[in-house]
Amino acid sequence: AQKITQTQPGMFVQEKEAVTLDCTYDTSDQSYGLFWYKQPSSGEMIFLIYQGSYDEQNATEGRYSLNFQKARKSANLVISASQLGDSAMYFCAMREGLAGSSNTGKLIFGQGTTLQVKP
Amino acid sequence: KAGVTQTPRYLIKTRGQQVTLSCSPISGHRSVSWYQQTPGQGLQFLFEYFSETQRNKGNFPGRFSGRQFSNSRSEMNVSTLELGDSALYLCASSLELAGQETQYFGPGTRLLVL
Repeated sequence: AQKITQTQPGMFVQEKEAVTLDCTYDTSDQSYGLFWYKQPSSGEMIFLIYQGSYDEQNATEGRYSLNFQKARKSANLVISASQLGDSAMYFCAMREGLAGSSNTGKLIFGQGTTLQVKP
Repeated sequence: KAGVTQTPRYLIKTRGQQVTLSCSPISGHRSVSWYQQTPGQGLQFLFEYFSETQRNKGNFPGRFSGRQFSNSRSEMNVSTLELGDSALYLCASSLELAGQETQYFGPGTRLLVL
């Protein structure tokens, strides 16, 4: 069963506008972490933001925020004031359990969303 | 602090050969995970090493193996290469402490099997 679902294969956004990238997840664990990574055409995966399952506040990192809705099992990434350099593939990922658990070190990725920012 | 480094960055091999990829984690990180990325299968977890021990393994055949050294550097080996092994191989390191599980990735090694 697919555990991370990103339903938007590709998206366009106008420069300086905000955009939301969708991510839903499936897990029976109470403890888990959700991550968003950006992958430019160069291939390197760049960490953007993290949300722990017990975190009550939505995570924010500069222009990135994570809209965490635990009951709906969704963890959408919001990018405010899009820039041309934001054009890339974006991956949502989940880690079940916490440090030292049986799933230590394993991230499950979604299929990704390609974002193109138009000038 | 230097990031995760991977060598080589690009590699071309032929079917049946074997290959070794190297990953140096961020200083102080003791966990190293490896992933394979292909257009068809996306990003898939290969294995994870912590303090020279494999702690977790993905669903890959035994041709894929790895190890970790005392300085936390890790290598992965693929024997008897197949065309389908052509992929971007990414390694990631983390502190693996509670609240600091974030994995930081290297630039990857692009492997082409002919």
